[in-house]
Parts: sequence; C-alpha cells; structure tokens
Amino acid sequence: NAGVTQTPKFQVLKTGQSMTLQCAQDMNHEYMSWYRQDPGMGLRLIHYSVGAGITDQGEVPNGYNVSRSTTEDFPLRLLSAAPSQTSVYFCASSLELAAYNEQFFGPGTRLTVL
Amino acid sequence: QQPVQSPQAVILREGEDAVINCSSSKALYSVHWYRQKHGEAPVFLMILLKGGEQKGHDKISASFNEKKQQSSLYLTASQLSYSGTYFCGTEDNYGQNFVFGPGTRLSVLP
Repeated sequence: NAGVTQTPKFQVLKTGQSMTLQCAQDMNHEYMSWYRQDPGMGLRLIHYSVGAGITDQGEVPNGYNVSRSTTEDFPLRLLSAAPSQTSVYFCASSLELAAYNEQFFGPGTRLTVL
Repeated sequence: QQPVQSPQAVILREGEDAVINCSSSKALYSVHWYRQKHGEAPVFLMILLKGGEQKGHDKISASFNEKKQQSSLYLTASQLSYSGTYFCGTEDNYGQNFVFGPGTRLSVLP
C-alpha cells in the first residue's frame, strides 16, 4: 500500500514550457485534490475531484488543468509555466469529501520556473 | 473563506503548553487539524464535526465550540517532536472546496 505518490519530486522549467505533475493513490479514495504551497504560506487549493470524470476549480485554478479518468490518477497540467507558479505542489486524497474525512498527502513536487 | 489562525508563531521550552486557535466568521461543517514538519507533507491530526466536541490523543487535543465557529488545539507538556507548522482546515462551498488557515509555526526548544 503506497498511499499517495507524486512524480517528479523536483522539476525546473523555463517560462512558457508545459508539463504534467503526476499523482496516484492506491486507497480507492473518491476525493482527490491539488494544493500549492508558497514559502511561509499555507496550502491553497488548485483543483479537486469528487470522483472519476468529475473535477472542479478550487481557490487558485488559473494556469492549471486537471482530468480524472480513473479513480487512482489525478494529473495536474501546467499549460504555459510562469515564474509565479514556482511552488511546492501537494496532491491529496480522502475517502470521500475532504470536509468529513482525513486527507492523505503525497510527498510533494518542488517546481521552479525560470 | 479562509479561517483565521492565532498566534502566527510560538516558541516553547520542552514541557510547556501551547494553544492554537482557529476561527471563522460563519458556522462550519467541520474543522481539521494538520501538522507539517519542515520539508515534509502535512499530516492529519484530528477532525471535529460537532459543536461542543472535544477529542484528543496522547497530549494533543482539540475543541470545537458550540456555535462551530472556533476551534482550539491544545498541546500539553510539549516535546521536541511537536515542532512544525500547524494548520486548521475547513470546508467551503458545501463541503467540497477545502480551505486551510495560514498556519501557526510552533518551535519547541530543549
């Protein structure tokens, strides 16, 4: 049981490049989400999904796309990277709605955009 | 709407107690507490769902007031391992959109 896994752990991009951050969970959780955490700050919700085929925007969705084709995977796509997207990205999952359930976090992806 | 946390930071000696507060201007469905150590992912501590609820494990406990607008996290006889940043989290938008507070940085010194 690996829990929540994220790849890559570190990534450096140039402005304008695109990339996909991978997230997978093996706990059969319905709810998955992506957060970004900037230095010295809290976690801000980017996008979330309440089940396969269903996604919605969080607090800071601009510049990011998501899809949820399976229960296990929830990739985050950066369309055209900008320096403002330099951050640590965490994927999380919970059995059902995050409001009522413990969220399990992946180890994070540290992204730098030059 | 992001919950408000206080204090922003606290420094303790081992064995001392601390209280971290989390409040909202509206009643909440629930409040969660997480701890994040430097360079690591947040780890769940506990969730409170009912007004007036109190729960805890070991020397860390929390309460949720009757109006469900304020929660407090209590750390008693703090240990070095308690150091980290503590976040409260609440729901927004009918429980789907989860919002974290700005965090309280706790440092426990020997």
